[in-house]
Amino acid sequence: EVQLLESGGGLVQPGGSLRLSCVASASTFNNFVMNWVRQTPGKGLQWVSAVTGSGTSTRYADSVKGRFTVSRDNSRNTVYLQMNSLRVEDTAIYYCAKIAVGGTTDFDHWGQGTLVTVSS
Amino acid sequence: QSLLTQPPSASGTPGQRVTMSCSAGSSNFGTSWVFWYQQLPGAAPKLLIYRTDQRPSGVPDRFSGSKSGTSASLSISGLRSEDEADYYCATWSDSLRGPVFGGGTKLTVL
Repeated sequence: EVQLLESGGGLVQPGGSLRLSCVASASTFNNFVMNWVRQTPGKGLQWVSAVTGSGTSTRYADSVKGRFTVSRDNSRNTVYLQMNSLRVEDTAIYYCAKIAVGGTTDFDHWGQGTLVTVSS
Repeated sequence: QSLLTQPPSASGTPGQRVTMSCSAGSSNFGTSWVFWYQQLPGAAPKLLIYRTDQRPSGVPDRFSGSKSGTSASLSISGLRSEDEADYYCATWSDSLRGPVFGGGTKLTVL
């Protein structure tokens, strides 16, 4: 069973930066496509970003493109989300989630989430 | 605005069968798979149905998924109090090059 544990959330002012981390308990971590999905009370679930197992390919939702950067360190079983130029509307619980092998939208493991609040 | 539309709420009594819908609007799900997630209060989402009608290991067969044209459905038979949760549909969007989620349906077990 894969366990995912996020950290790094907190309160930040608009325009500020934050880096989220997600550690996985799996020896085959480098086989996983890892994603970040966020949840706001008003808009439900929103996919944010994905990174392939090797880390060489990344994708982003249009709403965060150019501001967020996803990366991973397979030696540490960790995926990161660097969030810059944060906006009030980025306030959400951020989950890291693993895609099932061969899948595209089947997030079969989720972390517990970390809360990001963007407010002055 | 979500590309997938779900009714905000649904309800049923214990033992009943409840069906929740997920509409792709003017688009057709076509050959795209549909996925369903269950989110219990205070918890992270959990994969409930994948590839439209497949259940992950450990998900009871009371849960079933289907799709037809522009609509997909999640059915729960033999409703139980522990099924009270938010349910989200999802699919892959070629135009957005990523997964998209519906707005979710809050299921209340009366």
